[in-house]
Amino acid sequence: DAGITQSPRHKVTETGTPVTLRCHQTENHRYMYWYRQDPGHGLRLIHYSYGVKDTDKGEVSDGYSVSRSKTEDFLLTLESATSSQTSVYFCAISETRGWNEQYFGPGTRLTVT
Amino acid sequence: DQQVKQNSPSLSVQEGRISILNCDYTNSMFDYFLWYKKYPAEGPTFLISISSIKDKNEDGRFTVFLNKSAKHLSLHIVPSQPGDSAVYFCAASAAGNQFYFGTGTSLTVIP
Repeated sequence: DAGITQSPRHKVTETGTPVTLRCHQTENHRYMYWYRQDPGHGLRLIHYSYGVKDTDKGEVSDGYSVSRSKTEDFLLTLESATSSQTSVYFCAISETRGWNEQYFGPGTRLTVT
Repeated sequence: DQQVKQNSPSLSVQEGRISILNCDYTNSMFDYFLWYKKYPAEGPTFLISISSIKDKNEDGRFTVFLNKSAKHLSLHIVPSQPGDSAVYFCAASAAGNQFYFGTGTSLTVIP
């Protein structure tokens, strides 16, 4: 199994509070991704990174920001959480962007009340 | 707008029989396709892939078929086993760009 951990695994927070989710990898892969999984939508890309300090938006990036200061860590921040951001968040890594498989972390279940 | 669609939310199959999971896509530029398997409370795990230069790829009990003219791919599992019970996602990308995922099909293999 690829070495990917996510923290926290579960979080409940109130509307309007900032939240940061962390993804940590030990595989030294260049690409890292944040997805959210919602019923009826499958997995949707929020942001991705193609190197330290290099990030770009995915299809559902509004309300989210990311940072990557080290190869192994990719942070996802909800500046002011809303109930629509209640979801399961998955981090993934890959060696290249679209030509091979991505390896996923175990997920973080976030509930915004 | 969903570019990758899995129109069957669920599927039940008897152990030992064939499971066929289907996936349709709308973007003719997609040229690389993946299937993932997901157990509850875990992240998706890669199962099998196919590029658009092929129409079939096989790995043990799992075979993926690609019909580019119909913009359709399918995953065949033969024989199905109870441990195959999971949610299956298909995903597609174009020219090495981001993957788009389907909504998933929940497979139940009945012993």
